[in-house]
Amino acid sequence: QVQLQESGPGLVKPSQTLSLTCTVSGGSISSGSYYWSWIRQPAGKGLEWIGLIYTSGSTKYNPSLKSRVTISVDTSKNQFSLKLSSVTAADTAVYYCAREVLYGDYLNWFDPWGQGTLVTVSS
Amino acid sequence: SSELTQDPAVSVALGQTVRITCQRDSLRSYYASWYQQKPGQAPVLVIYNKNNRPSGIPDRFSGSSSGNTASLTITGAQAEDEADYYCNSRDSSGNRFFGGGTKLTVL
Repeated sequence: QVQLQESGPGLVKPSQTLSLTCTVSGGSISSGSYYWSWIRQPAGKGLEWIGLIYTSGSTKYNPSLKSRVTISVDTSKNQFSLKLSSVTAADTAVYYCAREVLYGDYLNWFDPWGQGTLVTVSS
Repeated sequence: SSELTQDPAVSVALGQTVRITCQRDSLRSYYASWYQQKPGQAPVLVIYNKNNRPSGIPDRFSGSSSGNTASLTITGAQAEDEADYYCNSRDSSGNRFFGGGTKLTVL
């Protein structure tokens, strides 16, 4: 059974770059037709999709964050990573990684999810 | 702003049926995937691919769609169903969206 685990600093200073890694266990990140996504959730608020990567390296980002986001994959380590630059307090959130399945032209779902990691932006 | 609109809060009496809706700002018919999130926990997929349940999700959870509104129905709500529920979809450009979430209270 595939499991995902986020890791990275829990505290980032304003204007710096947030960096997180998601480690996939129980299966190869390269197997199957899956996409690998980052999703975040500020305290008390809803979910926001950040972006995704396919194991070919192709990416898709939320237009509202696109200028600051980079997602990469390291298939040798079975990991994918998120970098979010020029962070502000508004980027404080729990960050989740998740595996996505696409079906047909418009169906998609995220399963499983990592447990999430809280990143606080503060000086 | 979200392109998927959910009611912020819904309540249901124990054992009764509740429908949580997710309206898309498009006339196109669509289906959503649905997630349950309990406090302090990661979201869990409860409905995918129109009306399929992952292993371990009770059959009281079902999904449907009519026009531009997708729905999650819980038939015979239990106390453990009290949680936040989120819908998700994607558009023709490949962008993914989540609804704002619905807080379900079981009375």
